Amino acid sequence: DGGITQSPKYLFRKEGQNVTLSCEQNLNHDAMYWYRQDPGQGLRLIYYSQIVNDFQKGDIAEGYSVSREKKESFPLTVTSAQKNPTAFYLCASANDGYEQYFGPGTRLTVT
Amino acid sequence: DQQVKQNSPSLSVQEGRISILNCDYTNSMFDYFLWYKKYPAEGPTFLISISSIKDKNEDGRFTVFLNKSAKHLSLHIVPSQPGDSAVYFCAAKGSWGTASKLTFGTGTRLQVTL
Repeated sequence: DGGITQSPKYLFRKEGQNVTLSCEQNLNHDAMYWYRQDPGQGLRLIYYSQIVNDFQKGDIAEGYSVSREKKESFPLTVTSAQKNPTAFYLCASANDGYEQYFGPGTRLTVT
Repeated sequence: DQQVKQNSPSLSVQEGRISILNCDYTNSMFDYFLWYKKYPAEGPTFLISISSIKDKNEDGRFTVFLNKSAKHLSLHIVPSQPGDSAVYFCAAKGSWGTASKLTFGTGTRLQVTL
C-alpha cells in the first residue's frame, strides 16, 4: 500500500527546543517537499529535494533544516531560530514534478 | 508577491447545484495547473489538473477551465454534494526556473448545504 507517512500527527515542544518531523514515502518518488500551512494562508514551501543528497531552500527556509540521505526519507528539523514554529506541516513527494502527493501532516505546537 | 490568487475565501452552495471556484495567476511562465482538495487536519489530495495546451479538462463531476489570455482558471463541481465541503487549493507551475516550483493559492472553503 504505497503512500506518504508523517509522524507524529500532533507534536508539542517547549520554546527553545529543536524538533524533527518525520516524512517517509514508499512511492519511489525522486522529489520530496516540505510545506507549512497557517490559518488563512496557502501552502508555503520550506525546503525541497529533487534527488538524494541534494536539497534546496524554498520560500521560507529560515529556521529550518533538512537532510536527504535516503530516497524514502526527508526529515525536517524545526530549530529554535524559527520565530513562529507553531503550524501545520505537510510533506509531499512527486515523480515528474507535477502532481504532488501529500502526507497527512503534523500539527506542531510550541509553547 | 502572490502569484496565484484565490480571491474568494469561502463559498456556500446548495446540494445539487453547481460550485464554481476561481483562481487567477500572474506568472506567464506557468503552464500547468492543479486543484487540490483538503479536509481539516489532513493533507491535500490531488483532484484534477490541466495543461496550458488545453482549455478544459473533465473528470466526472469536476471540470477545470483555463483562460490563458485572462490568466484565469476555474473549477466546476456539478452536482455539488455534502462530501465536497472542504478547502480547495489552486496550484500552478512552469517548466523551468523559479516557476518550476508548485505555487499554491490561499484556498477557498466550500460548504455544500442540504
